[in-house]
Amino acid sequence: QVQLQQSGAELAKPGSSVKISCKASGYTFTRYFISWIKQTTGQGLEYIGYIYAGSGRTNYNEKFKGKATLTVDNSSNTAFMQLNSLTPDDSAVYYCAREGTGSSYFDYWGQGVMVTVSS
Amino acid sequence: DIVLTQSPALAVSLGQRATISCRASQTVSISRYTLMHWYQQKPGQQPKLLIYRASNLESGIPARFSGSGSGTDFTLTINPVQADDIATYYCQQSRESPPTFGGGTKLELK
Repeated sequence: QVQLQQSGAELAKPGSSVKISCKASGYTFTRYFISWIKQTTGQGLEYIGYIYAGSGRTNYNEKFKGKATLTVDNSSNTAFMQLNSLTPDDSAVYYCAREGTGSSYFDYWGQGVMVTVSS
Repeated sequence: DIVLTQSPALAVSLGQRATISCRASQTVSISRYTLMHWYQQKPGQQPKLLIYRASNLESGIPARFSGSGSGTDFTLTINPVQADDIATYYCQQSRESPPTFGGGTKLELK
């Protein structure tokens, strides 16, 4: 069965970076896009961007350009998102999600990673 | 960006019909496809896909869930509502990049 297993919660200081992971199993990793989505109480669900695991091609929401960097390691079926120059506004739950074929909906989600930015 | 508007909450009785609406700031239909999707999220859990492309039931989702609509107005119907359906429901469009989500409708018991 398809599973996306994300890394654990992060506590980070303002100005630092974190890198969270999303390990996929149960399907052919290189045939799908992995998207990343931010959830906060105030802003709800926000789309960060996607990476196509087959080629490494990325596309970012303008709002998150420079904030997030998406990469993949096909040898371990793992996608990564690095968040840079952290501020308290980056405190959120971050999900990875697989895009269903062709229509940019998200058919499988990771369990989420809580990132807390605090001094 | 396309803005999706949902009512914040809806109170229903068990066994009754729940109708959750989502209005888009512009059409999310293109050609023969309608690029609106629905998710359920329970506290402490990740969202779960219920309906894709407006009216297609995702595999494994009970048939009491259904979706309808086109253009800018969409509905998720749960009939009959069961206790396990108490959750927050989100619509999401993929007509334009970036994909955007509605603010969510919290389904509550009367």
